[in-house]
Amino acid sequence: QKEVEQNSGPLSVPEGAIASLNCTYSDRGSQSFFWYRQYSGKSPELIMSIYSNGDKEDGRFTAQLNKASQYVSLLIRDSQPSDSATYLCAVRLTGGGNKLTFGTGTQLKVEL
Amino acid sequence: NAGVTQTPKFQVLKTGQSMTLQCAQDMNHNSMYWYRQDPGMGLRLIYYSASEGTTDKGEVPNGYNVSRLNKREFSLRLESAAPSQTSVYFCASLVAGGSSDTQYFGPGTRLTVL
Repeated sequence: QKEVEQNSGPLSVPEGAIASLNCTYSDRGSQSFFWYRQYSGKSPELIMSIYSNGDKEDGRFTAQLNKASQYVSLLIRDSQPSDSATYLCAVRLTGGGNKLTFGTGTQLKVEL
Repeated sequence: NAGVTQTPKFQVLKTGQSMTLQCAQDMNHNSMYWYRQDPGMGLRLIYYSASEGTTDKGEVPNGYNVSRLNKREFSLRLESAAPSQTSVYFCASLVAGGSSDTQYFGPGTRLTVL
């Protein structure tokens, strides 16, 4: 079992819809979770971090964390074509210090 | 404030050649990282440096060496390049503490080994 798992996609949603991206992790003791966005040919950039169970909202983005079920999700409301990118889930595993373990990413396509 | 810079942006090597990828950050971060990214494999950690003077292996260290020259600079060396090292290499640095931990990535080096 991979430590951090994501569906590779592509996930296609129409413009204006809600995009839902999911990530599961194997280390029950993990405490820090991150979502990065990566446009084709570019480097990853952090869009959300979450540390506590529940929802965290930032503009059109909402991160959701459920430690009991070991999943973290990212919702993008009112999806725009500019949201088309690969979204990487990253987890700081127990005992990992300042290292992050990344999932393989989910490709999101927002269609007009 | 340039953030994280990497040189070169592109490189083509022949099998067996050596090269050093350079990374520098001007954000006074303690921790720095080298990743490689391959299609379908996500980002995999090669080496990291928690602070100046320390380096540790990551998930895929074989075939690479690193040097943390000072707080700003962290270089990655391929002693004898192999086609399996064809990849995109990203350097990152970390600011930690308070309510968030953020890794900042450089623009990447696209390496092809023939």
